[in-house]
Amino acid sequence: AQSVTQPDIHITVSEGASLELRCNYSYGATPYLFWYVQSPGQGLQLLLKYFSGDTLVQGIKGFEAEFKRSQSSFNLRKPSVHWSDAAEYFCAVDTYSGGGADGLTFGKGTHLIIQP
Amino acid sequence: KAGVTQTPRYLIKTRGQQVTLSCSPISGHRSVSWYQQTPGQGLQFLFEYFSETQRNKGNFPGRFSGRQFSNSRSEMNVSTLELGDSALYLCASGTFQGQYGYTFGSGTRLTVV
Repeated sequence: AQSVTQPDIHITVSEGASLELRCNYSYGATPYLFWYVQSPGQGLQLLLKYFSGDTLVQGIKGFEAEFKRSQSSFNLRKPSVHWSDAAEYFCAVDTYSGGGADGLTFGKGTHLIIQP
Repeated sequence: KAGVTQTPRYLIKTRGQQVTLSCSPISGHRSVSWYQQTPGQGLQFLFEYFSETQRNKGNFPGRFSGRQFSNSRSEMNVSTLELGDSALYLCASGTFQGQYGYTFGSGTRLTVV
């Protein structure tokens, strides 16, 4: 079965500094990869996704992620964070068997704190 | 276009009761999946429906069930509620294989007392 690891439970970054959130997955092939963000009491918002092709993916809100097959990683980056980026970030994978989706498998999340 | 609508937003139920949650997907999306989010277990996949058929199910007891209607709206039902069922239940809609990602609703916060 597939699994997703987000090694950092909490990350604190100063406003204006760069950010990198780590994500590693375990799966026999290349899954579909996603990053979602969740603000308190809200649902999940899709930041970006990778299915195939260019391994550097651009998303919304200035985020990007790089897929590295050799490392089974899909790290999220942002060159300069804003106070509004404070939230919970989830990495997820989706695999397919037969004709349908297997459902997203999520990491435990990384809580991002922005220092003024 | 309108997003994913989940109703109700908040719900308080007593142990042993049953509950039904509703999800209206984005217009044109025929896939609806459900997730449970708790502080201890995180986000866990419950099941996914496409064109009224359950395509996949997560590792949850039979007390958790769902269905999808011809207009793609979906309901999930939890019978014989337990305290541990207290959670945020999220619904996501998507295309056939989620190639464009999944759009989540704001969730239903269920509290079992």
